[in-house]
Amino acid sequence: QLVLTQSPSASASLGASVRLTCTLSSEHSTYAIAWHQQQPEKGPRYLMKLKDDGSHTKGDGIPDRFSGSSSGAERYLTISRLQSEDEAYYYCQAWGTGMIFGGGTKLTVL
Amino acid sequence: QVRLQESGPGLVKPSQTLSLTCTVSGVSISNSSYYWSWIRQWPGKGLEWIGYIYHSGSTYYNPSLKSRVTMSVDTSKNQFSLKLNSVTAADTALYYCARSSYGDYWGQGTLVTVSS
Repeated sequence: QLVLTQSPSASASLGASVRLTCTLSSEHSTYAIAWHQQQPEKGPRYLMKLKDDGSHTKGDGIPDRFSGSSSGAERYLTISRLQSEDEAYYYCQAWGTGMIFGGGTKLTVL
Repeated sequence: QVRLQESGPGLVKPSQTLSLTCTVSGVSISNSSYYWSWIRQWPGKGLEWIGYIYHSGSTYYNPSLKSRVTMSVDTSKNQFSLKLNSVTAADTALYYCARSSYGDYWGQGTLVTVSS
């Protein structure tokens, strides 16, 4: 069964960088994922599709501050030069028999 | 520019059928090889995928909802729709439509409340 695991929360200071992690179930370690951002009171917004080799395709208008990387079953989202509007939930999502979502990470910008 | 917009009643009575439509602009459903999905989110909670429809009309539903879900597509209106029957309070949620296996475009969402 395809499962994506995310830490419930993360925090970092304004202007700093943060790396969020999404871990795929071991038998699905080669799967691509997508990262989605959900700001308060808004719908999810696609950030990027991230493959197991670390290559990623970003959505329209996504700043260069957002980047992705991979290592084994882990998929990372790195946000550089944190801004207040980056405070949001971040969900990873894979495609198995349908869309499978991680539980989300709430990012707090201090 | 691709845009998706959900529409439908915001209030549905228990045991009745929830019906929503997603109107797509900026891309033709019939000329694109994408899956078109419905996803829902309970207030303050995570995301649950409901199912998808392809432009040919083929569908795949979340097994947990399969017995109550029907999706359809109207390529002439560039729309796809969701019907969820026998609703209960547990179906109260924000409902989103999205494009593709990886949700590269989302609608803004519509809140559906199940209440008498």
